[in-house]
Amino acid sequence: EAGVAQSPRYKIIEKRQSVAFWCNPISGHATLYWYQQILGQGPKLLIQFQNNGVVDDSQLPKDRFSAERLKGVDSTLKIQPAKLEDSAVYLCASSSQQGRNSPLHFGNGTRLTVT
Amino acid sequence: TQLLEQSPQFLSIQEGENLTVYCNSSSVFSSLQWYRQEPGEGPVLLVTVVTGGEVKKLKRLTFQFGDARKDSSLHITAAQPGDTGLYLCAGARAGGSYIPTFGRGTSLIVHP
Repeated sequence: EAGVAQSPRYKIIEKRQSVAFWCNPISGHATLYWYQQILGQGPKLLIQFQNNGVVDDSQLPKDRFSAERLKGVDSTLKIQPAKLEDSAVYLCASSSQQGRNSPLHFGNGTRLTVT
Repeated sequence: TQLLEQSPQFLSIQEGENLTVYCNSSSVFSSLQWYRQEPGEGPVLLVTVVTGGEVKKLKRLTFQFGDARKDSSLHITAAQPGDTGLYLCAGARAGGSYIPTFGRGTSLIVHP
């Protein structure tokens, strides 16, 4: 099966600019996650979708970050305006169902550098 | 504060050595997962442990879930350079929605 696809692979922007990331999960996977991974740290959950509904977005900085999964398939994560501390790898993951035994399948991420 | 504390943060060893990394919490987890992440890639699942006291083996890797389901360990026997990577534990608190949280990881380098 095809894995989780993310684009772009790399992005460099100046602070106060906007940026968008795209994710296409594994076909049939109902649950989709966006994680932020700062260098040297583990992934931090930003938002979790079940189909096109939000399960958890408690750690999403809503003044600048937004995410959508309108048709319950692919998803976009947007940052507007970007800050220097947003420099990180943004990982998208999907799982077949929401549950303790469902593994997360990750894409290779988008590396964002804010200058 | 981190929900899942991993130790050590860094580990640099020679090929053939044994090692153990730990994942600890004050919370009870319905399950814990271990992932390995290589540079430029996303994490890849190694194992899921569900039952308190459970031991799972994956070739030279042995995973254990604590009896109280608050901690886990990963032991690697005779480490090889191919084991190099960031080892992450992840879990969701027992009860409520399944919202997986990751630890900060243990960065392992195995020198030939």
